[in-house]
Amino acid sequence: DVVMTQSPLSLPVTLGQPASISCRSSQSLVYSDGNTYLNWFQQRPGQSPRRLINKVSNRDSGVPDRFSGSGSGTDFTLKISRVEAEDVGVYYCMQGTHWPLTFGGGTKVEIK
Amino acid sequence: EVQLVESGGGLVQPGGSLRLSCTASGFTSSNFQMSWVRQAPGKGLEWVANINQDGSQRFYVDSVKGRFTISRDNAKNSLYLQMNSLRAEDTAVYYCARDRQCYIWGQGTMVTVSS
Repeated sequence: DVVMTQSPLSLPVTLGQPASISCRSSQSLVYSDGNTYLNWFQQRPGQSPRRLINKVSNRDSGVPDRFSGSGSGTDFTLKISRVEAEDVGVYYCMQGTHWPLTFGGGTKVEIK
Repeated sequence: EVQLVESGGGLVQPGGSLRLSCTASGFTSSNFQMSWVRQAPGKGLEWVANINQDGSQRFYVDSVKGRFTISRDNAKNSLYLQMNSLRAEDTAVYYCARDRQCYIWGQGTMVTVSS
């Protein structure tokens, strides 16, 4: 199985400051069609997860442009350019390339 | 509005069975793969199962193989998860999600396995 390793586990951030979350996979996430199926999800307290980013860097509909994804192969990053209060929650990466699909352990973003 | 609504959760004894349902609205679910993902209390997300558009291909996480069965009824825009031989470690909120990359999520249904 592909192991997804996120860091840090916890990320205290000052409002208006940037934040960065790392996700590393134990093997390449490039699929046979040439796409890299790495997704990022946000789960606010008490809510269902919401997908933010698909295929490494494509923002989903309605996602603020302060969220961006980057990376390739086995090394990926989610960045929030200026953290807002509504960004508090747990962020997960997920690979959709190999069966079984696997999630990272999550990164908790909180306000300092 | 695109929406997924899960139902069927509850309290069940170890070794028991439960059938979860997920009803889709606002889109034609037969056009998409569908997935089940679970989250144990206070824990992270775990993908459970996936089914392709016509139900001919199904994939499962190892821990549920032989005990859980994913199925769908496209005429009813519905997805199901039959869970047998339930264990305490199956206790979780179960979410259905649209497609392999989990774009749309339901609100979840809680399954508690306890005596």
